[in-house]
Amino acid sequence: EVQLVESGGGLVQPGRSLKLSCAASGFTFSNYGMAWVRQTPTKGLEWVASISTGGGNTYYRDSVKGRFTISRDNAKNTQYLQMDSLRSEDTATYYCARRGDGYTYHYFDYWGQGVMVTVSS
Amino acid sequence: DIVMTQTPSSQAVSAGEKVTMSCKSSQSLLYSGDQKNYLAWYQQKPGQSPKLLIYLASTRESGVPDRFIGSGSGTDFTLTISSVQAEDLADYYCQQHYSYPFTFGSGTKLEIK
Repeated sequence: EVQLVESGGGLVQPGRSLKLSCAASGFTFSNYGMAWVRQTPTKGLEWVASISTGGGNTYYRDSVKGRFTISRDNAKNTQYLQMDSLRSEDTATYYCARRGDGYTYHYFDYWGQGVMVTVSS
Repeated sequence: DIVMTQTPSSQAVSAGEKVTMSCKSSQSLLYSGDQKNYLAWYQQKPGQSPKLLIYLASTRESGVPDRFIGSGSGTDFTLTISSVQAEDLADYYCQQHYSYPFTFGSGTKLEIK
């Protein structure tokens, strides 16, 4: 059974950093591109970042480019999202998601349960 | 960025009825290289994560009941539930997976009368 389990969320002050982790199991992690998607009641679902199977290619939405870093450790079956210079508008539930077909198409066939990130003083 | 517009924002139907919801994109999602439409549909039940229903506009994900039908091409897409069940109470989102940044519609909330 495919499982994606996020951790690392919490309350953080503006300008500070937070690192999210997503532990994957039930599939060959290194064969799948991965992503982070966030959700808020006001903005809805927003794709945040994606990473290729080997980690060599990364992609970001403009609003997080230069502040967030997506990475993965295939030996540990884990992907990460390092979030620096956090802003109030980054407050959201963050989901870890698996690319549906591995590496060709960018739909998401499995999602984690989500982790809440609150940026507030 | 490609803007995804979903209508209606909410819809109430009785069990057994047919329901359709629309998703329109600001640019064509039809990729000339393979003649496929890069659009996905998700269902999100209260308190849960999104669940993939349909990808490439009309391909049903494994395990998804056949009452869920995706159709459309170019910029206009539809999700049809042929006979709504009580467990279909959820928010439904479309997503373009054609180009970065991948974008979602604002959702259609399905309520059961």
